[in-house]
Amino acid sequence: DAEITQSPRHKITETGRQVTLACHQTWNHNNMFWYRQDLGHGLRLIHYSYGVQDTNKGEVSDGYSVSRSNTEDLPLTLESAASSQTSVYFCASMGLATGELFFGEGSRLTVL
Amino acid sequence: AQSVTQPDIHITVSEGASLELRCNYSYGATPYLFWYVQSPGQGLQLLLKYFSGDTLVQGIKGFEAEFKRSQSSFNLRKPSVHWSDAAEYFCAVGEEYGNKLVFGAGTILRVKS
Repeated sequence: DAEITQSPRHKITETGRQVTLACHQTWNHNNMFWYRQDLGHGLRLIHYSYGVQDTNKGEVSDGYSVSRSNTEDLPLTLESAASSQTSVYFCASMGLATGELFFGEGSRLTVL
Repeated sequence: AQSVTQPDIHITVSEGASLELRCNYSYGATPYLFWYVQSPGQGLQLLLKYFSGDTLVQGIKGFEAEFKRSQSSFNLRKPSVHWSDAAEYFCAVGEEYGNKLVFGAGTILRVKS
C-alpha cells in the first residue's frame, strides 16, 4: 500500500544545532506540505511544494527550509534550532484525484 | 487571506448524545472545505470534504457536515456520539483545488459515559 512516512518520530536536540526531518511518500503525489502543530494554534503551514524543484513559504517559514529534488521526498531542515521550534511536525501529500491531504504520523521535536 | 475559526476549544458530550462542532471560514469565493480527526498520538484522518453540489455531505464514522454559504460555515454533526469519537477535530479550507489548506485551531471532544 502507498504511504507517507516521517523520520525520526521523536528527536531531542540542543539550541543552535541543525536538524533535518525526513518525509517520504510512495503515492507519486506532486503536492507535499509541512505543518507544525501547537496547542491552541492547530496546524500551521511551514513550507510546501507543488513539484520537483518547486518550494514555497507558508505562514511560519522563518528558520525552516525545504528542498525537492525528487517526487517522493520533502525534507524539512531547521538551520539553527530554537526552543520556539519545539513542536510536532506533520508532513502531508495531496492527491489531485481526490484533492485531500494524506498525513504522516508526525515527528515530535524537542529543542533544549 | 483565508482563515478558519473553530470557536469551541473543548466540548464534552455524553455518549449517545448528538454532536455539533462549529467551523467558520473567511474566503470570498466558494472554498474547498474539509474536516479531519486526530486521535491521541496519531496523524490526521479525513472525515469528509465539500467541493461543490449538495451542501450536506456524508463522511466516515457516521459524521456529516453542512455547507452554509450565507453563514460562511461548515459545521460537523453526528446524531449519536460513541466513546471512540473522543479526539481532536480540525476544520480546513482551501481556496483552489489541489492547493494548500488552512486549518482551524481544533476542537477537542471528550465523551463521558
